[in-house]
Amino acid sequence: GAVVSQHPSRVICKSGTSVKIECRSLDFQATTMFWYRQFPKKSLMLMATSNEGSKATYEQGVEKDKFLINHASLTLSTLTVTSAHPEDSSFYICSALILAEHSYNEQFFGPGTRLTVL
Amino acid sequence: GQQLNQSPQSMFIQEGEDVSMNCTSSSIFNTWLWYKQDPGEGPVLLIALYKAGELTSNGRLTAQFGITRKDSFLNISASIPSDVGIYFCAGRYNAGGTSYGKLTFGQGTILTVHP
Repeated sequence: GAVVSQHPSRVICKSGTSVKIECRSLDFQATTMFWYRQFPKKSLMLMATSNEGSKATYEQGVEKDKFLINHASLTLSTLTVTSAHPEDSSFYICSALILAEHSYNEQFFGPGTRLTVL
Repeated sequence: GQQLNQSPQSMFIQEGEDVSMNCTSSSIFNTWLWYKQDPGEGPVLLIALYKAGELTSNGRLTAQFGITRKDSFLNISASIPSDVGIYFCAGRYNAGGTSYGKLTFGQGTILTVHP
């Protein structure tokens, strides 16, 4: 259980285009999902918290108009990188918070999406 | 904000050796987590710790939640080649509201195991 998928796994795009990344919880419902960015051999940087049915909460320094987040259902959150530029190239990882009835609540991570902007 | 210092940054060991890594925080957490990340993949949860002083094992892995709530360590015994990867500690302090569930990650420990 607790499987999180991401699509696509890799994407290469031209500068100025927009890219959408999907994050799905496959066997559970997630009212809260998180989006992270990771540079090579570096730690995960939280970009935003995505809550189903409400606006995402962005971390300081993350442009909400640049990184659009939509959490329209209990199993799907999307991150759209708008007008992508080479500096947006990175590994983007989502996680879903599982709310277990008789257990603690933990994040389970997707496999990540490698974005390369030419 | 909260910061985690994870050490060592990297380790090169021989197969069969034991490994130890730790994280310290400038402030308290009420949950400590240890994740492993393989290249090109997302982190996978190894061990979760919820009480100060708690010592938990998962196979060859053992982790402890420091009594001060500001540190945690992870030990790997009898390392094998598939232990290679990046290990991250993560801490959580649930202040409620929009910060619920948010994790703070350490910088990671890159583990290389030589056969």
